[in-house]
Amino acid sequence: ETGVTQSPTHLIKTRGQQVTLRCSSQSGHNTVSWYQQALGQGPQFIFQYYREEENGRGNFPPRFSGLQFPNYSSELNVNALELDDSALYLCASSLSVNEQFFGPGTRLTVL
Amino acid sequence: AQSVSQHNHHVILSEAASLELGCNYSYGGTVNLFWYVQYPGQHLQLLLKYFSGDPLVKGIKGFEAEFIKSKFSFNLRKPSVQWSDTAEYFCAVNEPGANNLFFGTGTRLTVIP
Repeated sequence: ETGVTQSPTHLIKTRGQQVTLRCSSQSGHNTVSWYQQALGQGPQFIFQYYREEENGRGNFPPRFSGLQFPNYSSELNVNALELDDSALYLCASSLSVNEQFFGPGTRLTVL
Repeated sequence: AQSVSQHNHHVILSEAASLELGCNYSYGGTVNLFWYVQYPGQHLQLLLKYFSGDPLVKGIKGFEAEFIKSKFSFNLRKPSVQWSDTAEYFCAVNEPGANNLFFGTGTRLTVIP
């Protein structure tokens, strides 16, 4: 166990809906990164938050947005869901950018 | 942009066989290299990492990896696999100080008892 927790475990939504995924970072970690892992693929970087500010973003559209709170927990919000958004969403926390600790993920299914 | 290639999609071995999983990356500068493992139903865990120094890196559970800069490779090895090594293995890379990891597509390892 890494100490990184995510909720919910599974989620089913329909196209066009909005979803919020949550992540609690490991104690003492001030950086949270979000990744999307489609079936049969490796994780792809969505964005990272460091001390409540976005600190880098991958090749994802603006309908993917996030927040980090003063306790360093984080949310990933996805608006106007599309079928291709179905994936495992992983949160990783770290103290430095060079070593990230992953949570168990949230499995999102978009119908 | 960086990319990571893992050419073995699915590897099947018998227990006690030796393992080598390939990983190549496409970036000419200084990189940090990682191998992560995902056991069935579990989260991604770090097996080993290379930042600098000795290019032969020892990790947990008897795994090691060798960084060969001239070949842009960071292959994972284990001399004798066990049934419990059945998992998905991901190679990842980033630039020192960069905020994201680039992952390969993963290699599924199945070890037959």
